[in-house]
Amino acid sequence: RKEVEQDPGPFNVPEGATVAFNCTYSNSASQSFFWYRQDCRKEPKLLMSVYSSGNEDGRFTAQLNRASQYISLLIRDSKLSDSATYLCVVNKGAQKLVFGQGTRLTINP
Amino acid sequence: GAGVSQSPSNKVTEKGKDVELRCDPISGHTALYWYRQSLGQGLEFLIYFQGNSAPDKSGLPSDRFSAERTGGSVSTLTIQRTQQEDSAVYLCASSLNLGSPLHFGNGTRLTVT
Repeated sequence: RKEVEQDPGPFNVPEGATVAFNCTYSNSASQSFFWYRQDCRKEPKLLMSVYSSGNEDGRFTAQLNRASQYISLLIRDSKLSDSATYLCVVNKGAQKLVFGQGTRLTINP
Repeated sequence: GAGVSQSPSNKVTEKGKDVELRCDPISGHTALYWYRQSLGQGLEFLIYFQGNSAPDKSGLPSDRFSAERTGGSVSTLTIQRTQQEDSAVYLCASSLNLGSPLHFGNGTRLTVT
């Protein structure tokens, strides 16, 4: 089992739709969780951290389910500019951060 | 403030030559990572430095690859006897401490001809 797994997609959704991705992790001792977005030919950029109680930033909501060992990202009222690859990141216990392979999202007009 | 700086931004080299890629992390950041990314692919972990601990080199693909971090700051990734399959974007990232989010540089696009 991979340490961090994501559905690679692609997800194609119409503008204005709600879309959600999950990311599973294998190490139950993981403590830090993040979502990044990466635009084509650009470096990854931090989208949001994921807190135990869940957190929201505008149209984006991140949640953590420790029992089932996954994190989720929900995007409401999707915009064309949300088209990107979304990467989940999990710390490997007390060691380095590990990236998933990313989920490609395309928002269609 | 200054972010993570990488140089050069682009590098074209002939097969068999050695190359050095440089990364200047954000000041005060204790953790530094190197990744590489081929077109359309995910991030491939190469090496990780955390403070004064021994680096985690588990991602280096061959002994042609090496990296060092001097004085806990600047890092250099060296690729010896480059091969065409080494062509990729090499990304450096740093974080304040263990478990903090990573901040990426713009990357070095390496092309081996």
